[in-house]
Amino acid sequence: GEDVEQSLFLSVREGDSSVINCTYTDSSSTYLYWYKQEPGAGLQLLTYIFSNMDMKQDQRLTVLLNKKDKHLSLRIADTQTGDSAIYFCAETYGGATNKLIFGTGTLLAVQP
Amino acid sequence: DAMVIQNPRYQVTQFGKPVTLSCSQTLNHNVMYWYQQKSSQAPKLLFHYYDKDFNNEADTPDNFQSRRPNTSFCFLDIRSPGLGDAAMYLCATSTPGSNEQYFGPGTRLTVT
Repeated sequence: GEDVEQSLFLSVREGDSSVINCTYTDSSSTYLYWYKQEPGAGLQLLTYIFSNMDMKQDQRLTVLLNKKDKHLSLRIADTQTGDSAIYFCAETYGGATNKLIFGTGTLLAVQP
Repeated sequence: DAMVIQNPRYQVTQFGKPVTLSCSQTLNHNVMYWYQQKSSQAPKLLFHYYDKDFNNEADTPDNFQSRRPNTSFCFLDIRSPGLGDAAMYLCATSTPGSNEQYFGPGTRLTVT
């Protein structure tokens, strides 16, 4: 199967920027996603990027995609304590049914 | 609001006692997915339905089965739960060709 890897843990201070990184292996993925999961909760789609784009900005979120290196990142500007959660990147496979392979998840801890 | 609902949110079952988890959606989406997420791990796809067509992932144990009696409902049946089946079970929906999956809040299964 395909592996999607992330660093396990990131700690930042409130107000700083956070950058969460992800490497994936399936170059045929059409879309790449970032999901947020708070403790005991389901997955919340934060943003996604189409594979022919290099960058996408959505309010405090900036997604960068380097297809050559199969590297995806999520930058959160002005990080708040409410951003503390686990962040998963995901890539698609399976054609029209849009199945997802998730990364290992990064725990973001925001210190006040 | 249109949404994906999972019941119950918490389920406790005994080792070897069959258990059924429920998912319903008001989005009228063709595709429904079941993911298993063990503690501190990424969600992993078990199977999905495209309308009434059932698609099992190759490494999904035979102990796990699913039913989709209509567009709105999908059930996950665990025939003989083992301790290793304790996890969060996430249901999601999408439409073919869509780039988004909508997740329910999950059901946390405990096996005693």
